[in-house]
Amino acid sequence: DSGVTQTPKHLITATGQRVTLRCSPRSGDLSVYWYQQSLDQGLQFLIQYYNGEERAKGNILERFSAQQFPDLHSELNLSSLELGDSALYFCASSVGDLRSYEQYFGPGTRLTVT
Amino acid sequence: GENVEQHPSTLSVQEGDSAVIKCTYSDSASNYFPWYKQELGKRPQLIIDIRSNVGEKKDQRIAVTLNKTAKHFSLHITETQPEDSAVYFCAASGASYDKVIFGPGTSLSVIP
Repeated sequence: DSGVTQTPKHLITATGQRVTLRCSPRSGDLSVYWYQQSLDQGLQFLIQYYNGEERAKGNILERFSAQQFPDLHSELNLSSLELGDSALYFCASSVGDLRSYEQYFGPGTRLTVT
Repeated sequence: GENVEQHPSTLSVQEGDSAVIKCTYSDSASNYFPWYKQELGKRPQLIIDIRSNVGEKKDQRIAVTLNKTAKHFSLHITETQPEDSAVYFCAASGASYDKVIFGPGTSLSVIP
């Protein structure tokens, strides 16, 4: 167990809908990262937050947005869902400073868009 | 832009043999290079990492080497075991010091 939690574990929804994925980082970690992993694909970096503020952006679609709250948990919002958005979404956390770059991954949320 | 290439995409070895996975990166400012192992249906887990001030690092049967001049790094697994079968991802830190860019992954199969 990495200490990073994600909910829900599975999500099935229809095209055009909107969903919210939630992540709680390890205790003490200030950075949260979101990744998308499609079937047989690698890990695509979406976005990173550090202590409530956006720090880095990757290949995140405009239909997707995220935020990190004062208690450091983060939410990834996916809207106008398409079939191609079906994937495993991972959240990871790290200390967020130069002492350690190690990222700890959560168990993931499997999103199925029908 | 930032990019990490990884080869081979699939690798099959006999139990007890060695496996080598190679990665190259594009950002000369990268200074942190982790390797993750992902078993089927599970989360990626860090197995070893190396920083740019070190050329080689070893942890039991796993070793990583780094050549900053050539901008490539490699994972070496010796005496492979069936439980080593998984997808392995290399990564390199990007322009933002704690952002990492992942390679596409290598699916390793260890045949008993």
